[in-house]
Amino acid sequence: ELKVEQNPLFLSMQEGKNYTIYCNYSTTSDRLYWYRQDPGKSLESLFVLLSNGAVKQEGRLMASLDTKARLSTLHITAAVHDLSATYFCAGERYSGNTPLVFGKGTRLSVIA
Amino acid sequence: NAGVTQTPKFRVLKTGQSMTLLCAQDMNHEYMYWYRQDPGMGLRLIHYSVGEGTTAKGEVPDGYNVSRLKKQNFLLGLESAAPSQTSVYFCASSYGGSFYGYTFGSGTRLTVV
Repeated sequence: ELKVEQNPLFLSMQEGKNYTIYCNYSTTSDRLYWYRQDPGKSLESLFVLLSNGAVKQEGRLMASLDTKARLSTLHITAAVHDLSATYFCAGERYSGNTPLVFGKGTRLSVIA
Repeated sequence: NAGVTQTPKFRVLKTGQSMTLLCAQDMNHEYMYWYRQDPGMGLRLIHYSVGEGTTAKGEVPDGYNVSRLKKQNFLLGLESAAPSQTSVYFCASSYGGSFYGYTFGSGTRLTVV
């Protein structure tokens, strides 16, 4: 069954700096999802990565997928305070469009 | 344009009491899910449904029951609440499963004392 491991679990960044969040997964399903959660709020979808080598970018966030290494990364460029949130990666429980299994989340805090 | 609506938003229960959490979606989605979120644990799947009249167990189903009598509604029941069920509960729906992305509700914060 799928395991999804994120690191780091906590990240404090200075504004303007770059950093990467890592997501390792163990499953035969090679689709990977990223979600964002603001404190006390619900989750919103950020990226859906469907195949090896997939790269998606939205503003200062870029997600990529390496299915051979079973690794996805979420790269933050020139962090700003508005990016402070918890970021979750998730993979499908089994192959075949099955429910998502979430990592424990990375709590990101961007400070001036 | 409501999306996924969860009721109630907050609830305090005494140990042994029962309650039902309601999830309603107006997007004609086939798939619906119940997750719980605990500090440091991420989201864990309780039960899910792939269509009206169907339900299936997730990762942590013990102590919960679900029903999907109508396509738009997915109910989560706690028959005899325990302090270990103190959590934030999120409902999500999807048009055709994970591949199509989830729409999450705003959550229900449940405290069992």
